[in-house]
Amino acid sequence: DVKVTQSSRYLVKRTGEKVFLECVQDMDHENMFWYRQDPGLGLRLIYFSYDVKMKEKGDIPEGYSVSREKKERFSLILESASTNQTSMYLCASSRTGAAHYGYTFGSGTRLTVV
Amino acid sequence: GENVEQHPSTLSVQEGDSAVIKCTYSDSASNYFPWYKQELGKGPQLIIDIRSNVGEKKDQRIAVTLNKTAKHFSLHITETQPEDSAVYFCAARVNFGNEKLTFGTGTRLTIIP
Repeated sequence: DVKVTQSSRYLVKRTGEKVFLECVQDMDHENMFWYRQDPGLGLRLIYFSYDVKMKEKGDIPEGYSVSREKKERFSLILESASTNQTSMYLCASSRTGAAHYGYTFGSGTRLTVV
Repeated sequence: GENVEQHPSTLSVQEGDSAVIKCTYSDSASNYFPWYKQELGKGPQLIIDIRSNVGEKKDQRIAVTLNKTAKHFSLHITETQPEDSAVYFCAARVNFGNEKLTFGTGTRLTIIP
């Protein structure tokens, strides 16, 4: 069964800490995405990547950065965590192509910043 | 950029009845429209999708319709069951080669036994 694995299910971090959220996929997908999910706001795109070492800003990149050193791994970094970054973070991957494959999502990381 | 609106935000349906969730999109260049189901404690999962060259697609109790002229698409669930209770998201994507999806704000569907 294909999988997107997020390293932590729940995280509690202090304001100002540097936070790493890790995502690994085993499907050899080219594309990887980070979304945050908040009630009433749906899924909002933070960053995405079409290839190794490549990244593009999504709709809400402020306060975040990403790293993709290997095809299977896409990391989200909160340089200095703030309370307004308390949220559910979802990683997804997809295949490139005109066949329009859907996303495969991980189970999410619920981050609380105190 | 693309904007996707989804209604209603919550929906309660008696078991066995039908449920309909509607989405509108803003960019006429959008050509791919998936629907995702998110169960409690899990990530969203693709349940059905439709391309812009098709008006309707059905998979057992689930169907999606697309009206390109009006720029809206809908999810229809018939003979609802308790396991249909979840949050549903619609999404839209513009252009071949651009893999980025824009999501609606979600609908929490509750099936009443």
